[in-house]
Amino acid sequence: DAKTTQPNSMESNEEEPVHLPCNHSTISGTDYIHWYRQLPSQGPEYVIHGLTSNVNNRMASLAIAEDRKSSTLILHRATLRDAAVYYCILRDPYQSFGNEKLTFGTGTRLTIIP
Amino acid sequence: NAGVTQTPKFRILKIGQSMTLQCTQDMNHNYMYWYRQDPGMGLKLIYYSVGAGITDKGEVPNGYNVSRSTTEDFPLRLELAAPSQTSVYFCASSPAGGLASTDTQYFGPGTRLTVL
Repeated sequence: DAKTTQPNSMESNEEEPVHLPCNHSTISGTDYIHWYRQLPSQGPEYVIHGLTSNVNNRMASLAIAEDRKSSTLILHRATLRDAAVYYCILRDPYQSFGNEKLTFGTGTRLTIIP
Repeated sequence: NAGVTQTPKFRILKIGQSMTLQCTQDMNHNYMYWYRQDPGMGLKLIYYSVGAGITDKGEVPNGYNVSRSTTEDFPLRLELAAPSQTSVYFCASSPAGGLASTDTQYFGPGTRLTVL
């Protein structure tokens, strides 16, 4: 599986935008980029995913570099509820049938400062 | 919808005891998964199922067993508990109706297990 690299931790002020980077220099042309987050003492939850174009949803935006070797998750206005560990995950559509596991790294722990 | 529910929330076991972690989903998802998360680490896949009656091993299956008799339920059995199985266990499900690359997994709240 192609690997991702994320900073261990980041801090941001409340109500400020947050840019969470992810490097994936060995990404294949068909890998999708997924982001999940894990709030304290909870299971992970899906945030967003994309392939080549930038993506927006109600939770966040995903900016993907033109060469696809990096991406950035953008929280437009961080709140205290956004404090979590954020995971950047690559998913290969040509995985063996049924082997659709998510490969979690250690993610980025985001701290929001009031 | 309740989504994915897990019981119990917490459990302490003695070495050598056995137990079953329960997982139920009410979204009619075909795919279900069991992950474990050790302190400060990401999640690792233990077992998964692509439908009732079909299960397969993930990355770390040793010491665990699963069964999938219905679409809704996917219990995880620990036989002869060991301290190395102290972890937080998460169950997840996904519709898997489309490409694996775009499928979203929905996670339960987790079971925190300590083996002493």
